[in-house]
Amino acid sequence: GEDVEQSLFLSVREGDSSVINCTYTDSSSTYLYWYKQEPGAGLQLLTYIFSNMDMKQDQRLTVLLNKKDKHLSLRIADTQTGDSAIYFCAGTGGFKTIFGAGTRLFVKA
Amino acid sequence: GAGVSQSPSNKVTEKGKDVELRCDPISGHTALYWYRQSLGQGLEFLIYFQGNSAPDKSGLPSDRFSAERTGGSVSTLTIQRTQQEDSAVYLCASSFERSSYNEQFFGPGTRLTVL
Repeated sequence: GEDVEQSLFLSVREGDSSVINCTYTDSSSTYLYWYKQEPGAGLQLLTYIFSNMDMKQDQRLTVLLNKKDKHLSLRIADTQTGDSAIYFCAGTGGFKTIFGAGTRLFVKA
Repeated sequence: GAGVSQSPSNKVTEKGKDVELRCDPISGHTALYWYRQSLGQGLEFLIYFQGNSAPDKSGLPSDRFSAERTGGSVSTLTIQRTQQEDSAVYLCASSFERSSYNEQFFGPGTRLTVL
């Protein structure tokens, strides 16, 4: 089955770019997602990428997909303190979405 | 419109007691998921309901855990004889599955503390 791995912590300064990385095992995942969880709240879909795409950009967010290495990344440009949250990478293998452990992003003012 | 709601938001119980956690999904969503999020851990899949199909219970950690979904809408997760290791945030999500694209909408969670 699908396994999704990501680093647990990332600390950046306000205004810098953040890059959160994720690796997955199931090459049949047709969609890969990034979810954001703010303190005390559930997860919310941030962005997604279809597996036949290499890159997707949405305002400050850039998603890069390397299918050969099964590597997904999320870049946040001009990181703000409001971006402090846990970011989950997820892949859909069939109906089941498998989530990574989440990367906690700390943004220092 | 209304999102996914869960109740209670917090539950403190004594070891050995049974607890029931409730999830109200978004109206019209056919799929409903339960996850557990322990401190410092990722999301642990527990159970999945899709329409009238038999639920996927492959993530339930023990037979003390069970869930039902009545009328294809509200779901209840029951934990019997709670243990301290059951302490976690229990998240519910729902989705309207059309194809392999599956955005899940999450509730705020129920924080369970077992003393």
